[in-house]
Amino acid sequence: RKEVEQDPGPFNVPEGATVAFNCTYSNSASQSFFWYRQDCRKEPKLLMSVYSSGNEDGRFTAQLNRASQYISLLIRDSKLSDSATYLCVVVEGGGGNKLTFGTGTQLKVEL
Amino acid sequence: GAVVSQHPSRVICKSGTSVKIECRSLDFQATTMFWYRQFPKQSLMLMATSNEGSKATYEQGVEKDKFLINHASLTLSTLTVTSAHPEDSSFYICSARNQDYGYTFGSGTRLTVV
Repeated sequence: RKEVEQDPGPFNVPEGATVAFNCTYSNSASQSFFWYRQDCRKEPKLLMSVYSSGNEDGRFTAQLNRASQYISLLIRDSKLSDSATYLCVVVEGGGGNKLTFGTGTQLKVEL
Repeated sequence: GAVVSQHPSRVICKSGTSVKIECRSLDFQATTMFWYRQFPKQSLMLMATSNEGSKATYEQGVEKDKFLINHASLTLSTLTVTSAHPEDSSFYICSARNQDYGYTFGSGTRLTVV
């Protein structure tokens, strides 16, 4: 079983649609969680951190369910510029600060 | 914010030669630098963790003699791919953790070995 699993997609959605991505992680001791965005042939860029209480940043909402070891990202009113690969990232515990990346979910927003 | 400058962005080299990739933290001190590799349509995989002034810690399956890491100062870490082969062609990215800004990534180096 992969440490961090995501549906690779692609998710093809029309502009304005709402789309949700899911991610599961295997290490119950994981401490921090993030969603990163990666454009083709570019480095990953932090989209948002994920907190147990759930958090929102504009059109983006992230949620964490520690009991189920599950993370989600919801994008509302999707824009063409949202087209990218979204990476679920988990930080292991123990002070090593090691990031473990999911394989990413590809989103294509179309006219 | 924190910036990590990575060079070169793209390199093509002949099989058997060595390639050095540099990552510099421009406005903060990076005591730890992480080196990742990403093959097409795959995730970023951690290769090694570089600590300033000490030996790097390599992930399982990564050859330390092939991927030489040097972290001689608090602002510079280098990865040298020695005796490169076509299967080493990949996207290499460094990342440093900053207390104030979290994890910052370099812009990546696309290595093609011909």
